Amino acid sequence: QKEVEQDPGPLSVPEGAIVSLNCTYSNSAFQYFMWYRQYSRKGPELLMYTYSSGNKEDGRFTAQVDKSSKYISLFIRDSQPSDSATYLCAMSGPTGTASKLTFGTGTRLQVTL
Amino acid sequence: KAGVTQTPRYLIKTRGQQVTLSCSPISGHRSVSWYQQTPGQGLQFLFEYFSETQRNKGNFPGRFSGRQFSNSRSEMNVSTLELGDSALYLCASSLTSQNTEAFFGQGTRLTVV
Repeated sequence: QKEVEQDPGPLSVPEGAIVSLNCTYSNSAFQYFMWYRQYSRKGPELLMYTYSSGNKEDGRFTAQVDKSSKYISLFIRDSQPSDSATYLCAMSGPTGTASKLTFGTGTRLQVTL
Repeated sequence: KAGVTQTPRYLIKTRGQQVTLSCSPISGHRSVSWYQQTPGQGLQFLFEYFSETQRNKGNFPGRFSGRQFSNSRSEMNVSTLELGDSALYLCASSLTSQNTEAFFGQGTRLTVV
């Protein structure tokens, strides 16, 4: 079983919809949680970064972390065709391993007109 | 502010050869991490360098090695290439080894034939 599980999709939604992307993990030592967006043939782009449990909002994006359930989510409001990409969750542990990110396999999102 | 620069962008090599990839981090960033991305395994951590020292290492064979120079630029070397080494190799830049906000380059697409 992988340390981080993420549904690969593809997930297809109409423009303007609210998108929910999720990851579950098994390693209780993870403390830092990130979401990256990756367009085809490009490197991952950091979208959201959170530490421990709670919510964080940035524009149309909201990240949630529930450490008790080992579950993280990314919500995208008012989705746009330009949001079509692969979304990767990533996480890392405490001091000494913070730089070693463990990624989910990514969810491919398609926002249609 | 310039982002993470990886060179070359594309590379084709023959089995048994060796290859060196280069990464220049964001100015002021001193930590460089390397990842391998394949369709089957996703993004996997190779190693991290900070202040010219390897700080963390993933589960890859010894054919994969790296180094970091005093200006924080990093190189990754793969010796005795195998077909399975075909992948997108990504470099991530962070301020320090304990900073988990990692910013990725565009990657080097390596094809082994």
